[in-house]
Amino acid sequence: QVQLVESGGGVVQPGRSLRLSCSTSGFTFNNYGMHWVRQTPDKGLEWVALVWYDGSIKYYADSVKGRFTISRDNSNSTVYLQMNSLRVDDTAVYYCARDPVPREVRWYFDYWGQGTPVTVSS
Amino acid sequence: SVLTQPPSASGTPGQKVTISCSGGPSNIGSNTVTWYQQLPGTAPKLLIYNNSQRPSGVPDRFSGSKSGTSASLAIGGLHSEDEADYYCASWDDSLNGPVVFGGGTKLTVL
Repeated sequence: QVQLVESGGGVVQPGRSLRLSCSTSGFTFNNYGMHWVRQTPDKGLEWVALVWYDGSIKYYADSVKGRFTISRDNSNSTVYLQMNSLRVDDTAVYYCARDPVPREVRWYFDYWGQGTPVTVSS
Repeated sequence: SVLTQPPSASGTPGQKVTISCSGGPSNIGSNTVTWYQQLPGTAPKLLIYNNSQRPSGVPDRFSGSKSGTSASLAIGGLHSEDEADYYCASWDDSLNGPVVFGGGTKLTVL
């Protein structure tokens, strides 16, 4: 069965960096686009970033552009989110999620990980 | 949130409940709608895609529809386990995009 497992969350000071990982199994990873989506009680769900199935194309929300970098390692079926220059308003639970159609991007999410919490605080 | 949902809804077991999602021309008006269910303490789960299609495993008492710049999720024959938060989402052609969500509706089964 499809599984996505995030790790790497934690408490970090403003301005510092954190790298999230999402390890996957149960499907042919290198055929699917992968997203990061975050959730806060105040702002709800917010799409963060997408990496194409082959890593060739990446998109970012304006709120993280220039600070976050999404990447993937198809040999290890893992997607990453490098978060630099973290701000207090980046505090959220971060989910990785799969785009549903092989070798296309449909901009919705058919499988989600359990989430990893990130707290940015001094 | 770019998409507007009522913050809460409720019903008794067996009832039908409808949750609305209101958007605009750049999102729901020109793109498909997705619905997610989030049970307490868990990650969101895909419930409806392409306005009205259900992934395998989603009971047929969940149905989605779209008209103009609004969409609706209907849950027929409420079960206690349907108590959850429900979110709508859509692609957005404007600077809001690419993906926008509703603020979520907390469904209580009385």
